[in-house]
Amino acid sequence: RKEVEQDPGPFNVPEGATVAFNCTYSNSASQSFFWYRQDCRKEPKLLMSVYSSGNEDGRFTAQLNRASQYISLLIRDSKLSDSATYLCVVWGGSSGGSYIPTFGRGTSLIVHP
Amino acid sequence: DADVTQTPRNRITKTGKRIMLECSQTKGHDRMYWYRQDPGLGLRLIYYSFDVKDINKGEISDGYSVSRQAQAKFSLSLESAIPNQTALYFCATSATRGPTKNIQYFGAGTRLSVL
Repeated sequence: RKEVEQDPGPFNVPEGATVAFNCTYSNSASQSFFWYRQDCRKEPKLLMSVYSSGNEDGRFTAQLNRASQYISLLIRDSKLSDSATYLCVVWGGSSGGSYIPTFGRGTSLIVHP
Repeated sequence: DADVTQTPRNRITKTGKRIMLECSQTKGHDRMYWYRQDPGLGLRLIYYSFDVKDINKGEISDGYSVSRQAQAKFSLSLESAIPNQTALYFCATSATRGPTKNIQYFGAGTRLSVL
C-alpha cells in the first residue's frame, strides 16, 4: 500500500460548485501536512498548510483527521482558474529516522463553464 | 529572478550518455531535494540533502547520483542514461525551522528525454 493515497479523478465540476478531495496516509507518526497545486507541466506550488484545528484561506478549507489518518481539501465556489492537479504532501519518518516528504499522486480537477 | 533555478530546462540525450542536471537556490535553505515526475505516478523522491555533508537516498535512487557542492547548489547526475529515465525532474528546497519549516519551494523543472 502506498504511503500517501489520493483519488486521481478527474473531478469534473461546473463553475460555482463545491468540491472536496481526500488524502489518506499510512504512517500514524506523520507530522507536517500540506496541499500543493500543480498546473500542467509546471512546478508544484504551495496552496496551504494543514493544521490540526483545520484552517481556511478564502474559498479553500483544509482539515486534518489524525484518528482516521487523512487530510482533506474543500474548494467552494469553484472557478475556471481552479482547474489543476492538487497534490497532498505528508511528512513521515524515513528508515534513517528523519522526517521526509511523501507526495500523493495528485487529484485532477477540471472546472467547466 | 527565481529563488530555485534549474538548468537546463530541457534536455535530449542518448542512451548511455552521462548528464548532469543542476539546481541552485537563493533562499538560504539547508535542505534540498531531487524528484522525478512521471504521468500518473506523482512526484517521487530521488535524493535529498539536509546540509552540505548530509546526502540521503530517496525512494528511487538507482541509476542516479548527486553532489551538494555548496549550501546553494545540488546537482543530479545520470551516470549512464536509459530511456526509462525520461521524465520531468524537479529540484526543491525547504527550511529547517521557522514559519516556513517543511514548505518546499520548487524549481521550474527539467524535461529530460533519453532516446
